Amino acid sequence: GNSVTQMEGPVTLSEEAFLTINCTYTATGYPSLFWYVQYPGEGLQLLLKATKADDKGSNKGFEATYRKETTSFHLEKGSVQVSDSAVYFCALSSGGSNYKLTFGKGTLLTVNP
Amino acid sequence: DTEVTQTPKHLVMGMTNKKSLKCEQHMGHRAMYWYKQKAKKPPELMFVYSYEKLSINESVPSRFSPECPNSSLLNLHLHALQPEDSALYLCASSQVGGQGTQYFGPGTRLLVL
Repeated sequence: GNSVTQMEGPVTLSEEAFLTINCTYTATGYPSLFWYVQYPGEGLQLLLKATKADDKGSNKGFEATYRKETTSFHLEKGSVQVSDSAVYFCALSSGGSNYKLTFGKGTLLTVNP
Repeated sequence: DTEVTQTPKHLVMGMTNKKSLKCEQHMGHRAMYWYKQKAKKPPELMFVYSYEKLSINESVPSRFSPECPNSSLLNLHLHALQPEDSALYLCASSQVGGQGTQYFGPGTRLLVL
């Protein structure tokens, strides 16, 4: 079956620090990969996505590259801000008639001024 | 426009009450979803509607009753809930097909007393 493993949090960084949140996956076929962000008290927002190998998703300074050879989709940002404090979920969708998103457990990021 | 709206934002109900959660999207998506999210956990899929027909029920107790009256609306009817049903209920929508990107609403935070 499908699974997503992302680094355990919480992650605490100072403003302007470099961020990496690791995500690896197991899936049949050719999944689409996603990063969702959940700010305190809110729903999930799509942060970025990639639908095939070597695609790079990017948004709001965040980037992630679909690496089929290492089955990874690590999230990076060069300089985090206090406003980036949130929970980040890595997820995959394996297509076909399967509508299910498989989520990682989530990583809580706190950015201090 | 990638907006999914949900009402109400907060709901408190007793175990004998009947209430409904509402979700709306105007992106032309023909797949709509209900998820349940407990604190510090990823969302768990409850139901999927495709072309206004129920296509997936993840063995959800019958005290939760979904309804899709048209392609833009999704309801979740609640009756005789238990305190353990207290959670954030998220609606999402996507294009039909398993790799359609899911867009989430802000959620309804439900407290069952």
